[in-house]
Amino acid sequence: LAKTTQPISMDSYEGQEVNITCSHNNIATNDYITWYQQFPSQGPRFIIQGYKTKVTNEVASLFIPADRKSSTLSLPRVSLSDTAVYYCLRGGADGLTFGKGTHLIIQP
Amino acid sequence: GAVVSQHPSWVICKSGTSVKIECRSLDFQATTMFWYRQFPKQSLMLMATSNEGSKATYEQGVEKDKFLINHASLTLSTLTVTSAHPEDSSFYICSAKRGSSGYYNEQFFGPGTRLTVL
Repeated sequence: LAKTTQPISMDSYEGQEVNITCSHNNIATNDYITWYQQFPSQGPRFIIQGYKTKVTNEVASLFIPADRKSSTLSLPRVSLSDTAVYYCLRGGADGLTFGKGTHLIIQP
Repeated sequence: GAVVSQHPSWVICKSGTSVKIECRSLDFQATTMFWYRQFPKQSLMLMATSNEGSKATYEQGVEKDKFLINHASLTLSTLTVTSAHPEDSSFYICSAKRGSSGYYNEQFFGPGTRLTVL
């Protein structure tokens, strides 16, 4: 049973803001939300993690509403190099259950 | 900070041989490391959880006698694929958990090891 649901694919253009929303209806009190980016034949790269409200770092923002049943990863001003698979995961201290991820394609 | 390395980055072996893959946390101590496997165009699948100084915990369907895991120190975990067969060909990725908090799960992934069994 998938722990999270996210779109299979999305496309956008260079310079645009991209928002990827993830649904996690059965999130547990202890779970954090984490987003990873993966390029072909590479290990996933940590993007951002949060518990609730808004978190921002140098590459992305993460919005989590009060009920925590969804989250939105926001990538400002994407470039071609942002083409990758993005995984939304919820979890605590254990190994992560990866869903299918969102294949984001950025076009010029 | 928070760099995880894997060695080798790729390996080709003959069917029936064993292959060892190393996973190291370079700038932090990791009491827990995880091993994942990823087939082409599929997502990562957790194989096992490796805890320093104790036996690994395997996910359902993963043969513990075939995938031997050793976590001898706080910075090194190894995965040995024994008697490898072509169906074991895959991309093996490790991750290391930083921090001892029970809830905060900050995992950092290695670059992966491409195993091809002929």
